[in-house]
Amino acid sequence: DGGITQSPKYLFRKEGQNVTLSCEQNLNHDAMYWYRQDPGQGLRLIYYSQIVNDFQKGDIAEGYSVSREKKESFPLTVTSAQKNPTAFYLCASSIRGRSSGQETQYFGPGTRLLVL
Amino acid sequence: SQQGEEDPQALSIQEGENATMNCSYKTSINNLQWYRQNSGRGLVHLILIRSNEREKHSGRLRVTLDTSKKSSSLLITASRAADTASYFCATDQNSGYALNFGKGTSLLVTP
Repeated sequence: DGGITQSPKYLFRKEGQNVTLSCEQNLNHDAMYWYRQDPGQGLRLIYYSQIVNDFQKGDIAEGYSVSREKKESFPLTVTSAQKNPTAFYLCASSIRGRSSGQETQYFGPGTRLLVL
Repeated sequence: SQQGEEDPQALSIQEGENATMNCSYKTSINNLQWYRQNSGRGLVHLILIRSNEREKHSGRLRVTLDTSKKSSSLLITASRAADTASYFCATDQNSGYALNFGKGTSLLVTP
């Protein structure tokens, strides 16, 4: 089956702790994205990557970090600097990451992060 | 920055009725997409309409785009309980490669 997987489904973070959310795709897509969704809100872009070893900050990158060492993987680390991390995190990918909104984005099932 | 804004925020209808959701945006776009999100799940792409298109159909979905009014509408005909979900419009950013998503319309279809 082709698609995007995210793990874990639920993640609990203690104060001052860094946590890493996993995102893997086997669609052979070049571009990958991380979004944050708060209750009743739309999606806000955290980071995106158009190609391996390259990534760009989105609208709300502060307190987050990413890496793109492999085409299939785009993990997101929520650092202790992110003071309000409780949210639903969605990973997505698209074929080439071309501009002008011309590509469909394929989403994973999401990870819900909660603070203890 | 969120460019698209959906209206209404919430919509409740009965099975068989049509559901219409609207999206307004602020700056010129190249493409506009609609996505659906079931509760607690990821988003699923529904349809893409280009700025030079006025209307597009896909099954029970009909999307219109009025670039002069900077607005789009999504019509779901003969709705079913399974259509219950949140619906988002997404537009291209002025620069960069990601999409701008609105806050969504929450649709409830009751039997």
